[in-house]
Amino acid sequence: RKEVEQDPGPFNVPEGATVAFNCTYSNSASQSFFWYRQDCRKEPKLLMSVYSSGNEDGRFTAQLNRASQYISLLIRDSKLSDSATYLCVVNDENSGTYKYIFGTGTRLKVLA
Amino acid sequence: DTAVSQTPKYLVTQMGNDKSIKCEQNLGHDTMYWYKQDSKKFLKIMFSYNNKELIINETVPNRFSPKSPDKAHLNLHINSLELGDSAVYFCASSQDKGYPSYEQYFGPGTRLTVT
Repeated sequence: RKEVEQDPGPFNVPEGATVAFNCTYSNSASQSFFWYRQDCRKEPKLLMSVYSSGNEDGRFTAQLNRASQYISLLIRDSKLSDSATYLCVVNDENSGTYKYIFGTGTRLKVLA
Repeated sequence: DTAVSQTPKYLVTQMGNDKSIKCEQNLGHDTMYWYKQDSKKFLKIMFSYNNKELIINETVPNRFSPKSPDKAHLNLHINSLELGDSAVYFCASSQDKGYPSYEQYFGPGTRLTVT
């Protein structure tokens, strides 16, 4: 089983739609989680951290389910500019050092 | 001002050559990283330095050698380049060994093509 798994997509959705991505992780001791966004031929950029109680930032909502070891990202009212690859990231600790484990990414295309 | 910068942006070279990629961050972070993103877009950590000390060294061929002259700079030297080294290499930085709440900031990437 991969350490962090995502559906690669692509998810093709019309503007204004709501879309959700899931990500599962294998290490039950993982402590922190993020969603990054990567545009084509660009670097990854932090979209949002994922907190245990769930968190919202405008049209974006992130949730964490520790029991089932998955995190999710919900995008409401999709915009054309949301088209990108969304990377699930688990921050794993080993002897006081933290290491990002990336999922393979989920590609989103928002269509006019 | 660019927070994390890398040079060069593109690098095309022949098999067997030796090349270096440079990275600098002006965020005052003490931890820096090198990642490789392969043709399938999978991003994987290679190395990490904290205050010039190597703290993460993944299973990477020893043809790859990172060097950190100070905490704002992390360079990657690659010897005897192979076709399979073609990828995008990203540098990143964070505070405090990437403690859980601290995000990583990525440079724009160096696209390496080995012919």
